[in-house]
Amino acid sequence: GAGVSQSPSNKVTEKGKDVELRCDPISGHTALYWYRQSLGQGLEFLIYFQGNSAPDKSGLPSDRFSAERTGGSVSTLTIQRTQQEDSAVYLCASSSGQGRPGEQFFGPGTRLTVL
Amino acid sequence: AQSVTQPDIHITVSEGASLELRCNYSYGATPYLFWYVQSPGQGLQLLLKYFSGDTLVQGIKGFEAEFKRSQSSFNLRKPSVHWSDAAEYFCAVKPNAGGTSYGKLTFGQGTILTVHP
Repeated sequence: GAGVSQSPSNKVTEKGKDVELRCDPISGHTALYWYRQSLGQGLEFLIYFQGNSAPDKSGLPSDRFSAERTGGSVSTLTIQRTQQEDSAVYLCASSSGQGRPGEQFFGPGTRLTVL
Repeated sequence: AQSVTQPDIHITVSEGASLELRCNYSYGATPYLFWYVQSPGQGLQLLLKYFSGDTLVQGIKGFEAEFKRSQSSFNLRKPSVHWSDAAEYFCAVKPNAGGTSYGKLTFGQGTILTVHP
């Protein structure tokens, strides 16, 4: 049984470049979440998709950050014009919405380093 | 705004000793409550969750947590710690809004557990 997968596992980029991070949720899960884990800020919510509803983007730190979810499955988080403060581990989670409270299953994360 | 506080950044215990990790939350109503564990280089794994009912919740790996409404706390406990329990532990809350199962998690800052042999 496949869990949540993320790619790449590590990404090193130069300041000012754009990066794309990918998340493959558990098959059939209707909800998908992005979080960021950094030394200074801990674990922070970024964005959340649920079914066909408009995403909750309330956690995105700036307009350089965007995400999309295609076909209700795979999601891509894009960071434009990366800054050094964007260095963090980006975690993706998915949830089936079954039961209460619905459990979120996390992927292993993508470690982003901006030089 | 809701918030979660884990007062202990780092705790060290001896193998076989008991463990209690503290978690306090600030929220208008009783939220959903969770404890997650993160081993080095790994994603987050759910240990246990509280929704309603019995205030003592059993989880995986021998962990339990007790919800105390009067103290807005959800402390994690284990009677006898194993070396493999060394990891970082996160308390989290999610709004209990209209019974929906969805919604973002708000995490505490985490507690790093070191286990001495």
